[in-house]
Amino acid sequence: AIQMTQSPSSLSASVGDRVTITCRASQDIRNDLGWYQQKPGKAPMLLIYAVSSLQSGVPSRFSGSGSGTDFTLTISSLQPEDFATYYCLQDYRYPPTFGGGTKVEIE
Amino acid sequence: EVQLVESGGGLVQPGGSLRLSCAASGFTFSTYWMHWVRQAPGKGLVWVSRMSSDGSSTSYADSVKGRFTISRDNAKNTLYLQMNSLRAEDTAVYYCARRSGGNIPFDYWGQGTLVTVSS
Repeated sequence: AIQMTQSPSSLSASVGDRVTITCRASQDIRNDLGWYQQKPGKAPMLLIYAVSSLQSGVPSRFSGSGSGTDFTLTISSLQPEDFATYYCLQDYRYPPTFGGGTKVEIE
Repeated sequence: EVQLVESGGGLVQPGGSLRLSCAASGFTFSTYWMHWVRQAPGKGLVWVSRMSSDGSSTSYADSVKGRFTISRDNAKNTLYLQMNSLRAEDTAVYYCARRSGGNIPFDYWGQGTLVTVSS
């Protein structure tokens, strides 16, 4: 299975900060990379698909970039509601695999 | 409004069985591939199984192959996961998720149902 390595596993930031989370795939996954946000006790929510396409209703402060094996989720100006855990997902090859998650906490 | 509502979770002894259901509404269920994803307490997300829109194709994670069976009833807009020979490591919140078309992955998820395997 394709391994997805996410970093950092956690970070502390303040409202208004620019935050970057990275995800590295163990092999080329083309552009089949998505990002999810999960808040405690809630289901994951799709933020970005196909590396950089914003899911409907998701604020434009979220963006994605990358290609091949290295990908990035950026939050341009962190808002109070953005404190959550973020996961990347590859579904280029079965089984779909998630990164280990990045917990974004208040500094 | 798209809704996915899981049910059927609970406490079961090791070696026992449980059947989860996922009731779908707000979209044409019969045209979407559906998946199960689980999350052990305090851990990350792990894909479990998938079924094609017409039920003709299924896939499973190695960890559940031979023990879990995915199925669906398109007339009832419901997805199922039959879980047999349950182990402690199957303890998790189980989510059903819809896979949209093209390269859009799981775009809608249910709220999850907790399965606890313990004696």
